[in-house]
Amino acid sequence: EPEVTQTPSHQVTQMGQEVILRCVPISNHLYFYWYRQILGQKVEFLVSFYNNEISEKSEIFDDQFSVERPDGSNFTLKIRSTKLEDSAMYFCASSEGAGRVHGYTFGSGTRLTVV
Amino acid sequence: AQKITQTQPGMFVQEKEAVTLDCTYDTSDPSYGLFWYKQPSSGEMIFLIYQGSYDQQNATEGRYSLNFQKARKSANLVISASQLGDSAMYFCAMFFYNQGGKLIFGQGTELSVKP
Repeated sequence: EPEVTQTPSHQVTQMGQEVILRCVPISNHLYFYWYRQILGQKVEFLVSFYNNEISEKSEIFDDQFSVERPDGSNFTLKIRSTKLEDSAMYFCASSEGAGRVHGYTFGSGTRLTVV
Repeated sequence: AQKITQTQPGMFVQEKEAVTLDCTYDTSDPSYGLFWYKQPSSGEMIFLIYQGSYDQQNATEGRYSLNFQKARKSANLVISASQLGDSAMYFCAMFFYNQGGKLIFGQGTELSVKP
């Protein structure tokens, strides 16, 4: 079964550093998403991306964050000048369309620890 | 306001018994969908079941069924014949066709299956 691949699975970074989280969505999917889950809390929407532009973003997704689809396969989340409170699991997801019939699939996540 | 509420932070069930996990939601948008995801201790998000707001019948996927009561704005997950491997966090999530396909998650319910 097709899957969404995220790398790395774990990343430790120093406060103030920039990190790039990488995702390879399912190949025929058109919508891409990033979510965040702080340890022990619920999953929070960050941003959705369609047709090479952001289609929706949450209040969490401020100027510290950016997304990019640098080529035909990768989808990245960049966090500039990381803070301790950015420590979380970050999930990438993709869907063929905006509904279950189009297979909304999550990756296994990247656990980011900011020290 | 759009909101998803899971009022049961933790639940216990005996192996082989059925269990219902509650989910209520609030939205004025007539077009939405409801997902249930399982998150084991390893952290990945596993899709379980989906119900569209216009679906006439309750969704079923193997041992999982969704008790969808649209007028009451509830979408409870029923797991039949619980297994030890069902022990995990369970999240209810709502998505919106008109908002870039984002999902809004509930707080989650931690299910423990006892032998």
